[in-house]
Amino acid sequence: DTEVTQTPKHLVMGMTNKKSLKCEQHMGHRAMYWYKQKAKKPPELMFVYSYEKLSINESVPSRFSPECPNSSLLNLHLHALQPEDSALYLCASSPPNRETQYFGPGTRLLVL
Amino acid sequence: GESVGLHLPTLSVQEGDNSIINCAYSNSASDYFIWYKQESGKGPQFIIDIRSNMDKRQGQRVTVLLNKTVKHLSLQIAATQPGDSAVYFCAVLMTGFQKLVFGTGTRLLVSP
Repeated sequence: DTEVTQTPKHLVMGMTNKKSLKCEQHMGHRAMYWYKQKAKKPPELMFVYSYEKLSINESVPSRFSPECPNSSLLNLHLHALQPEDSALYLCASSPPNRETQYFGPGTRLLVL
Repeated sequence: GESVGLHLPTLSVQEGDNSIINCAYSNSASDYFIWYKQESGKGPQFIIDIRSNMDKRQGQRVTVLLNKTVKHLSLQIAATQPGDSAVYFCAVLMTGFQKLVFGTGTRLLVSP
């Protein structure tokens, strides 16, 4: 198994909804990342977890709440989002002692 | 900090031609460089990487060149195929830091 999986593939939510994005990898990677990508732009880092601890938060608004329940899983909890939060949300992971990040297919989020 | 720029937003080539995509970075302490390919609706796919102690690395039909003197790297794709059509991002990192900084992306269009 050499891939990062993300669910759901697409998500439509209202501004009062609470939803969660899920990411999973079974490659033994110990660093996991959340990125946000707007159309025609490069990915922008949101959060980094290293050995299940949050190591980087790129000043992301609190309506985005990450969680790393174990070394294979990464969640992003969403609450009270704004329409401008509509984007492709990408998860990535990297092996121990290597910086290469491998990306999942993303969740395309639309906030109405 | 680090900023990364790509020289051309779009590159159009004929099938069978060689393609060269260029990228410039600003921080001379950056020492790890990755090229990603992103097809429409998908996550970035790792293509090839290079460390600052090398100036050239080859993969299958791809070559990455690194010029640390002028802080420039390039991705060369030999015998470009329609399946190579995608957006290509360079990404730059400093060892010890987990934050990849992405360039703005070059869209490669391959016509038959």
